[in-house]
Amino acid sequence: KQEVTQIPAALSVPEGENLVLNCSFTDSAIYNLQWFRQDPGKGLTSLLLIQSSQREQTSGRLNASLDKSSGRSTLYIAASQPGDSATYLCAVKTSYDKVIFGPGTSLSVIP
Amino acid sequence: EAGVVQSPRYKIIEKKQPVAFWCNPISGHNTLYWYLQNLGQGPELLIRYENEEAVDDSQLPKDRFSAERLKGVDSTLKIQPAELGDSAVYLCASSPGLGQGGELFFGEGSRLTVL
Repeated sequence: KQEVTQIPAALSVPEGENLVLNCSFTDSAIYNLQWFRQDPGKGLTSLLLIQSSQREQTSGRLNASLDKSSGRSTLYIAASQPGDSATYLCAVKTSYDKVIFGPGTSLSVIP
Repeated sequence: EAGVVQSPRYKIIEKKQPVAFWCNPISGHNTLYWYLQNLGQGPELLIRYENEEAVDDSQLPKDRFSAERLKGVDSTLKIQPAELGDSAVYLCASSPGLGQGGELFFGEGSRLTVL
């Protein structure tokens, strides 16, 4: 059974710092991995999608990497801003089209 | 292009009352998901549709929850009767087939409060 965990559960950093969020999954047989952002009271916004054959994806100040063999993905945020404050969730999609989410990391960027 | 549309955004009901949530997925997306999200937790799958067929409803509490996706487009999730523990956010998502990348897109969610 696929399980997804995220560390840390919460993170507080000063503005301008680079930071890394971690996502781990127990079964390496995934189809893709997706990172989302969720603001309070809102739905989930897709940030980056990494297919199983890819190692990383980049969008602006965000970079996500995927290491299937070790069951890990990281989301790197460069030069953090207060507007980056949100909860970040990772989700893995299995070959059966099942999507399993981690519990999320709550990020607070302090001005 | 319109995103996933959900309604209502908020609903407050008394326990034992029925409630229904509606979802309109992105045009052309065959896969539709209903998730439940409790505060501080990640979404948990309730049911997944491929076109009009429910292919994974193992987590759906079938004694009080029901869902349908007529014609393989819009979907409705119903709770009858609602219980206090059903207070949560109900999220709808859609996705193209695996052959098209399989990216998931979410609506804004429907927040249910049961009094």
